[in-house]
Amino acid sequence: ELKVEQNPLFLSMQEGKNYTIYCNYSTTSDRLYWYRQDPGKSLESLFVLLSNGAVKQEGRLMASLDTKARLSTLHITAAVHDLSATYFCAVPHPVGYASGTYKYIFGTGTRLKVLA
Amino acid sequence: SAVISQKPSRDICQRGTSLTIQCQVDSQVTMMFWYRQQPGQSLTLIATANQGSEATYESGFVIDKFPISRPNLTFSTLTVSNMSPEDSSIYLCSVEQAYGYTFGSGTRLTVV
Repeated sequence: ELKVEQNPLFLSMQEGKNYTIYCNYSTTSDRLYWYRQDPGKSLESLFVLLSNGAVKQEGRLMASLDTKARLSTLHITAAVHDLSATYFCAVPHPVGYASGTYKYIFGTGTRLKVLA
Repeated sequence: SAVISQKPSRDICQRGTSLTIQCQVDSQVTMMFWYRQQPGQSLTLIATANQGSEATYESGFVIDKFPISRPNLTFSTLTVSNMSPEDSSIYLCSVEQAYGYTFGSGTRLTVV
C-alpha cells in the first residue's frame, strides 16, 4: 500500500526565513504533485514534477523530486505572510491493471504559518 | 484545464438524512474521483467513478453509505447516506488532467 508522509506537519516561521518541507513516499513513482490549500478552500495546483531530478520554481517556492530516494522537497525562500496555507504532496497510483489512469494518494499535509 | 462546478458549496444537515453532491465538468473525462477531507486532515479517496460502470470504492468506504452515479462523461454525484456527525467533512470531486488533478470547489458538510 502506498504511503505518503510529509514533515513537518506544522510549521511556524518568521517572515524572511527559509525552510524546507519534505515529502516521502513508499513505492516507486516517477511523478509527484504539490498543492496548496487555503482555509475553507479547495486545492490549487502548485507544481508538477514529472521525472527524477525535476526542479520547478515559482516565486519564493521551489520543488524538487528524487525518485530514487522517493523524496520530494518544497523549499520556501524568504517567506512572506501570503504563503500561509496548508501544502500537500500527492503521488499517483495506478487504478486497476494497465488502465492508464491514476488515483492520487495525498501526503499528510504541512500547515504553514508565516508570522509577520 | 477543465473547470468543475461542484454544488452545494456547503450544507448543514440533520443526522439520519442524506445529501447528494453534484459535480459538472466542462469537458468529457473518463474517470472522476471523490475525496473526503475531515477537519484538519489530509484528503482520503472515497471512490473512483468510471462512466458506465459501478464505482470502485477504497477500503473503508461502501456503496450503501456513499452511492455514486456517473450517468455520462461530464457529470457525477456522490450521496452521503444516513448521515452522522462523523460525516462532517469537506467532500471534493476531481478529474485527472494532463498535468495533474483539477478539483471542484468542495462541499463543506456539517451534520448536526
